[in-house]
Amino acid sequence: QVQLVQSGTQVKEPGASVTVSCKASGYTFTTNGISWVRQAPGQGLEWMGWINTYNGDTTYAQKFQGRVTLTADTSTTTAYMELMSLRFDDTAQYYCARRGPGQFSTEDYWGQGTLVTVSS
Amino acid sequence: QSVLTQPPSASATPGQRVTISCSGSSSNIGINYVHWYQQVPGTAPKLLIYRNNQRPSGVPDRFSGSKSGTSASLAISGLRSEDEGDYYCAAWDDSLSGPEFGGGTKVTVL
Repeated sequence: QVQLVQSGTQVKEPGASVTVSCKASGYTFTTNGISWVRQAPGQGLEWMGWINTYNGDTTYAQKFQGRVTLTADTSTTTAYMELMSLRFDDTAQYYCARRGPGQFSTEDYWGQGTLVTVSS
Repeated sequence: QSVLTQPPSASATPGQRVTISCSGSSSNIGINYVHWYQQVPGTAPKLLIYRNNQRPSGVPDRFSGSKSGTSASLAISGLRSEDEGDYYCAAWDDSLSGPEFGGGTKVTVL
């Protein structure tokens, strides 16, 4: 069965960077991309970007351009999301989700989420 | 402020039907598929409906989706206590080159 398992809770200071990992199993890693979606406390879902795990191409939401980097390691079937220059309002649950290419696809399987808290 | 607009809450008694709306525009719902997610508090979102009206394996047929023009809706019939949670619509937005989510609707079973 498809599973996405994310790394654990992290606490960071403002201005620091955070990296969250997402280990995929149960399907061929390179046939679907990985999206990253975040959810601030008590708020809705916000799409951050997507990586094509076949060729490494990335698409970022304009809001996060220049501050987020998505990568994928096909040898370990693991995707990574690095968010830099953290601010207090980056405190959120961060989810990875499997997604096919193009606008006709959707996020069909989700990781359990990783809580990132930005605190001084 | 979400690009896709949903009512903040909806409620009904067990066994009744509840409908959630999702309003968008010509750059998202008007020309792309709509998907729906269910999120039980403290857990990750779960895909409930994809491509306007398709149910993934394992999703009961009590859940149904539809789309017309720049709006979509999710209906839950035969409401059960375990249906309580937050429901989000989503659609690709051509002007943003990415998927957009609605603000979410909290469903309460009275």
